[in-house]
Amino acid sequence: KAGVTQTPRYLIKTRGQQVTLSCSPISGHRSVSWYQQTPGQGLQFLFEYFSETQRNKGNFPGRFSGRQFSNSRSEMNVSTLELGDSALYLCASRQGSTGELFFGEGSRLTVL
Amino acid sequence: GESVGLHLPTLSVQEGDNSIINCAYSNSASDYFIWYKQESGKGPQFIIDIRSNMDKRQGQRVTVLLNKTVKHLSLQIAATQPGDSAVYFCAENEQAGTALIFGKGTTLSVSS
Repeated sequence: KAGVTQTPRYLIKTRGQQVTLSCSPISGHRSVSWYQQTPGQGLQFLFEYFSETQRNKGNFPGRFSGRQFSNSRSEMNVSTLELGDSALYLCASRQGSTGELFFGEGSRLTVL
Repeated sequence: GESVGLHLPTLSVQEGDNSIINCAYSNSASDYFIWYKQESGKGPQFIIDIRSNMDKRQGQRVTVLLNKTVKHLSLQIAATQPGDSAVYFCAENEQAGTALIFGKGTTLSVSS
């Protein structure tokens, strides 16, 4: 069974641009969560989607948004990029609304 | 806000030693705790979890201990191997279906 797949793995953007990151969960998993990882703040929760509905949202500005499609694939978008948005963005999936989270390898975003 | 933290940012051990990684949490309402391992360039990998109605849980070479009285969580790794070198995070969950709150991580270095 394939794991959580995130694309792209690496990307470089400049301030003011926007970016879209994609996540394909493990087959059969309906919940997808997104986390931001930085050296200073560690792993911070962005949002969680379950059956196409956002169920939880972390304390991030409105520039960060996401969505989930009917096949459980998810995307997150960051608009008007700032230097501080440089981070590893991790996606995680799980089968139901609770249980073990399986993480992807992340998308490393660098904002110049 | 309430968060989970680790006592030491780094831990260095010799191959074959037993390692103990500690974590303090502040949210007494948390009822589910997880340890993750993150190797360089990869996403966090589930190691072991424990619910608040348990004090101890054992896995393969790993044991998690939970002391709810002092809000302390620890991960014990027996016969530490070089492949155990990674960053270890504890995480807590206040209730089923809510977001995980991660500690900042302990970097375990194993020398042979």
